[in-house]
Amino acid sequence: EPEVTQTPSHQVTQMGQEVILRCVPISNHLYFYWYRQILGQKVEFLVSFYNNEISEKSEIFDDQFSVERPDGSNFTLKIRSTKLEDSAMYFCASSDPGFGYTFGSGTRLTVV
Amino acid sequence: DQQVKQNSPSLSVQEGRISILNCDYTNSMFDYFLWYKKYPAEGPTFLISISSIKDKNEDGRFTVFLNKSAKHLSLHIVPSQPGDSAVYFCAASASGGSNYKLTFGKGTLLTVNP
Repeated sequence: EPEVTQTPSHQVTQMGQEVILRCVPISNHLYFYWYRQILGQKVEFLVSFYNNEISEKSEIFDDQFSVERPDGSNFTLKIRSTKLEDSAMYFCASSDPGFGYTFGSGTRLTVV
Repeated sequence: DQQVKQNSPSLSVQEGRISILNCDYTNSMFDYFLWYKKYPAEGPTFLISISSIKDKNEDGRFTVFLNKSAKHLSLHIVPSQPGDSAVYFCAASASGGSNYKLTFGKGTLLTVNP
């Protein structure tokens, strides 16, 4: 069964450092997303990406965040200057227009 | 602003019995609802969905009921199995536009006891 692949599974970084979280969506999907879940809280939408541009972003997705689809397969989330409160599980997802939404297994980001 | 609410943080059920997980929403623009199951250190796994044009959708042991007038949906698992123990998230989406952003509830931890 097709799956969304995320790397790394766990990333530890120092406050103020840049991190890039990587995702390989399902190949025939057209919509790509990043969500995050802070420990003990709900899964929150960050950003959606379609047709090589951001289609919607949440209030969380401020200027410190950016997304890119550098080639035909990867979808990345960059946090320019990490803060302690960025520590969370970050989930990538992709979908087709028929709501075939698939999540990756997540990257646990720990900012110290 | 909790547009999707799961008011029960946890639920404990005996194996073989029915598990009923509830979800309420406030945004009348939501017209597509999904249930996800999540184990620790894994991503949400899609279980079942329902469109607002229906009031019931069934897939094996899982049935989702939608009451639009009450803005309420529920997930029934019959019979419950120990392997069903996980956090269950209700999610909702408003169709249209160029994305299908999901709004999640906080989740309900289901424990099925052998």
